[in-house]
Amino acid sequence: GESVGLHLPTLSVQEGDNSIINCAYSNSASDYFIWYKQESGKGPQFIIDIRSNMDKRQGQRVTVLLNKTVKHLSLQIAATQPGDSAVYFCAEGPRNQFYFGTGTSLTVIP
Amino acid sequence: NAGVTQTPKFRVLKTGQSMTLLCAQDMNHEYMYWYRQDPGMGLRLIHYSVGEGTTAKGEVPDGYNVSRLKKQNFLLGLESAAPSQTSVYFCASSPEGTQYFGPGTRLLVL
Repeated sequence: GESVGLHLPTLSVQEGDNSIINCAYSNSASDYFIWYKQESGKGPQFIIDIRSNMDKRQGQRVTVLLNKTVKHLSLQIAATQPGDSAVYFCAEGPRNQFYFGTGTSLTVIP
Repeated sequence: NAGVTQTPKFRVLKTGQSMTLLCAQDMNHEYMYWYRQDPGMGLRLIHYSVGEGTTAKGEVPDGYNVSRLKKQNFLLGLESAAPSQTSVYFCASSPEGTQYFGPGTRLLVL
């Protein structure tokens, strides 16, 4: 089976600081990677994605970095806000079937 | 445009009872998925469908059945519920790639 894991289960940051959430994956054949945000009691919400032919992709306050050599994915959140507090999941796989990590809980300290 | 909706939001079953969870999407997506989410674990794929009339097994299909009679609906059935099926169930749909999730169904089997 696939293996998608997160280096740290919890992360606390001060409001306004940058956050970095990491993810390791094991399947070299995966060609699509997604970051999701899940707030308590809600379904996962798409944040940003990246294809395997890219190393970096930027969105609004978020950046995803992909290092295929070491099978590592990271999500950077700039100027973290209280509303960013949630569990963040990475997912990897072919485009039609994904494997999800266990998640990192991000807490933003006002 | 409601996106992905799930019915019911919460249900309590006794061991051995049966029930059907309904997922509906109004985005004309080909792909639909059922996941379960348990504490401390990532989302695990139960079954998925790549189009109307088709279904396939995911990572944890035992004890569940699905049907996709209409493109917009994906039903998940539990024929004889067991306490191990206590979980939060999420449905997702996608055109190809990014999956859009519903709000979840919380199921408790006593």
